[in-house]
Amino acid sequence: DAGITQSPRHKVTETGTPVTLRCHQTENHRYMYWYRQDPGHGLRLIHYSYGVKDTDKGEVSDGYSVSRSKTEDFLLTLESATSSQTSVYFCAISQGISTDTQYFGPGTRLTVL
Amino acid sequence: AQKITQTQPGMFVQEKEAVTLDCTYDTSDQSYGLFWYKQPSSGEMIFLIYQGSYDEQNATEGRYSLNFQKARKSANLVISASQLGDSAMYFCAMREGVSGGYQKVTFGTGTKLQVIP
Repeated sequence: DAGITQSPRHKVTETGTPVTLRCHQTENHRYMYWYRQDPGHGLRLIHYSYGVKDTDKGEVSDGYSVSRSKTEDFLLTLESATSSQTSVYFCAISQGISTDTQYFGPGTRLTVL
Repeated sequence: AQKITQTQPGMFVQEKEAVTLDCTYDTSDQSYGLFWYKQPSSGEMIFLIYQGSYDEQNATEGRYSLNFQKARKSANLVISASQLGDSAMYFCAMREGVSGGYQKVTFGTGTKLQVIP
């Protein structure tokens, strides 16, 4: 158990509404990541953080923003949700060492109607 | 070109037999890492095994071993003595770039393994 929780675990929302997903870790790891998982695509990186207030874009960042005001929390926001953002969202953490491994949270299933 | 290729969308294996899940990768980096994750039907992503590009021995973790063939750029996962609980999606992934610090990790599209009693 890598000490990562995600909330909510399931959410159904309507197109155009804002949505915020939360990732919380108890491991004090420096690096945190948001991925989305879609059939046929594996996991794709949305944004990542390398410290408090330090974030950067991944390969599928359009339509998403993130914030990290505390080491333990990493928020993913969909400013105006679209149906193409229906997906399973995973948060991951890593220490940032040479043999680093990313450990994943339980995931959030988001449906945008 | 695909960074990580898993050519087997689905596989079946008889309980108690060994199975190999294929993974090939593409990178020009000298330092990289290879991972396998398991995703059961419950949805969580479970880390199984890691192999560094400079590791001379194949990684092993219990019933899991990683058959690392650097020249062929392959990193196949071998599961020995399959159990019903091994039925899941399996993802191969590669870390490239700077060793330590931010890691760019690319995932394959997965192989669905079903263990038959």
